[in-house]
Amino acid sequence: DAGVIQSPRHEVTEMGQEVTLRCKPISGHNSLFWYRQTMMRGLELLIYFNNNVPIDDSGMPEDRFSAKMPNASFSTLKIQPSEPRDSAVYFCASSSVVNSGIAKNIQYFGAGTRLSVL
Amino acid sequence: QKEVEQNSGPLSVPEGAIASLNCTYSDRGSQSFFWYRQYSGKSPELIMFIYSNGDKEDGRFTAQLNKASQYVSLLIRDSQPSDSATYLCAVNPRKGGNKLVFGAGTILRVKS
Repeated sequence: DAGVIQSPRHEVTEMGQEVTLRCKPISGHNSLFWYRQTMMRGLELLIYFNNNVPIDDSGMPEDRFSAKMPNASFSTLKIQPSEPRDSAVYFCASSSVVNSGIAKNIQYFGAGTRLSVL
Repeated sequence: QKEVEQNSGPLSVPEGAIASLNCTYSDRGSQSFFWYRQYSGKSPELIMFIYSNGDKEDGRFTAQLNKASQYVSLLIRDSQPSDSATYLCAVNPRKGGNKLVFGAGTILRVKS
């Protein structure tokens, strides 16, 4: 199994530019999560999808952030326009909600995208 | 009050000792509990999960859950320098669907 795949691994951009982060969940998983990690705020959930449908986007900081999941194998997180305070590591994770009992809710993380906004 | 609280550390233990990591949570109805390990510059990886009160052992790791006290802990026996990392406690809240709420993490340093 290839695991959760994120791209790019590193992104450096200038303030005001659009940034798009990409995620491919583990095949067969039907929940996908986007997190942001900073030293100050730790690991924060931004949004998650079940079966490609956004369930909880209460963690999305503001309208500059948007996320889509057009199909079961692909999701994007877009920041437009980007600001220096968006600099962080963004993780994507996936899990399978069809598993019952003990396997449910186990999330597997991608390697992350380190975003620097100058 | 934060939903999930951990002592940030660092917790320093000598090689071979038992490391004890603690976590408290605010939602009494929380249903499942997870420990993730995160090495510097890497992504979180699952160590253990626990659903029922009591102890759960997996190799050198033991997770302990006390729902009445809203307390979860992770014990690492025979600590090794390779165990040095940040340990994240995560909780699935009662009304959280299948999302997890993470604590800020405890830095563990195992000295050889």
